[in-house]
Amino acid sequence: DAGITQSPRHKVTETGTPVTLRCHQTENHRYMYWYRQDPGHGLRLIHYSYGVKDTDKGEVSDGYSVSRSKTEDFLLTLESATSSQTSVYFCAINRDGNYGYTFGSGTRLTVV
Amino acid sequence: RKEVEQDPGPFNVPEGATVAFNCTYSNSASQSFFWYRQDCRKEPKLLMSVYSSGNEDGRFTAQLNRASQYISLLIRDSKLSDSATYLCVVTPGATNKLIFGTGTLLAVQP
Repeated sequence: DAGITQSPRHKVTETGTPVTLRCHQTENHRYMYWYRQDPGHGLRLIHYSYGVKDTDKGEVSDGYSVSRSKTEDFLLTLESATSSQTSVYFCAINRDGNYGYTFGSGTRLTVV
Repeated sequence: RKEVEQDPGPFNVPEGATVAFNCTYSNSASQSFFWYRQDCRKEPKLLMSVYSSGNEDGRFTAQLNRASQYISLLIRDSKLSDSATYLCVVTPGATNKLIFGTGTLLAVQP
């Protein structure tokens, strides 16, 4: 779906390094979300944003921060990556107003 | 207890079979309900919303039982292309946050 893109698609990083993942949308939607997906846990909300500079924590926010300085970009930062943050990260936008999300293609992050 | 619970499966069914998945949710204030489909190593995609009156989209039928707090998805005449993980999703109250179940894996066999 061209309306939402994530970068990078894959990343391998070392423990203790900071990492930033980018989510970019072209649809001007107000709501944006970061989820992580792990076996046995499903998708869990990390942080979300309901407008420029308006963000809030989800259920697994420890070790993560976010920023949204423009409507189209929502950045997720792992301040000091740990092996427990090895996961697939999905960004989503609230497209339809009926609260159905559209997801980006995901970022596979490996922390070694 | 998880907010949204699903049988992980796998459900192995032959082509043409009818298969049903159930999902239970714990928050009685949940307001919106969805089924998403996720193919292996891909992002989740919205399959259908679930309405109180039940709704149908081709071979797919979704039902909501608020009293018992469960949601169902029925797939008729299964196709090989239906093989995927099906995610049950709810919104806890009047929010824009979605809570996902861990998914049910469906494998349709030729």
